[in-house]
Amino acid sequence: DAKTTQPTSMDCAEGRAANLPCNHSTISGNEYVYWYRQIHSQGPQYIIHGLKNNETNEMASLIITEDRKSSTLILPHATLRDTAVYYCIVRVPNFYNQGGKLIFGQGTELSVKP
Amino acid sequence: GAVVSQHPSWVICKSGTSVKIECRSLDFQATTMFWYRQFPKQSLMLMATSNEGSKATYEQGVEKDKFLINHASLTLSTLTVTSAHPEDSSFYICSAGLAENTGELFFGEGSRLTVL
Repeated sequence: DAKTTQPTSMDCAEGRAANLPCNHSTISGNEYVYWYRQIHSQGPQYIIHGLKNNETNEMASLIITEDRKSSTLILPHATLRDTAVYYCIVRVPNFYNQGGKLIFGQGTELSVKP
Repeated sequence: GAVVSQHPSWVICKSGTSVKIECRSLDFQATTMFWYRQFPKQSLMLMATSNEGSKATYEQGVEKDKFLINHASLTLSTLTVTSAHPEDSSFYICSAGLAENTGELFFGEGSRLTVL
């Protein structure tokens, strides 16, 4: 079972920041927070991941609370091409480990509107 | 980033036939590959873990005789849906991990199977 809770859907205006929340209250000390997204009828795309510090890359920023029980993915300037289902996943960063499998929950369906 | 390719992208077959889907890591060696299935309007469901040179590990509820997985090389894993039936119609997706980096996983484009 997925260890995260996300809102089912969200809307965002084009050009505005999209803030996608994720709750992971049972996260373990060695588990990371990963974000993937899936555009309709395509394979998932890696976005970003982090352990406890905030992270930023060319796609997004990841803000993790100090207690690590929740996080927020931020798309700073959403475009229509960012419309997708966004998945927040917690796992250990070792796929040889049982806990390292990518188990997808239901995710958040983000609709970016003109 | 690393590239994972699936073939075919879509396939239509008659009920009772078998279908093979290939998953290739194009620019890296993947000791481990994962196979997922996704039905319309649903999330991805992990089917099995494929390890090069050994038998695949199947998730609970997935029939290993129905979904045959072969990982014969560090760049190729295949999923064969045997005696396909309409309820096997789905979007099948593979992912692969870098042998040197155990954290990152890359996904293929997916293969859409329709069984008539």
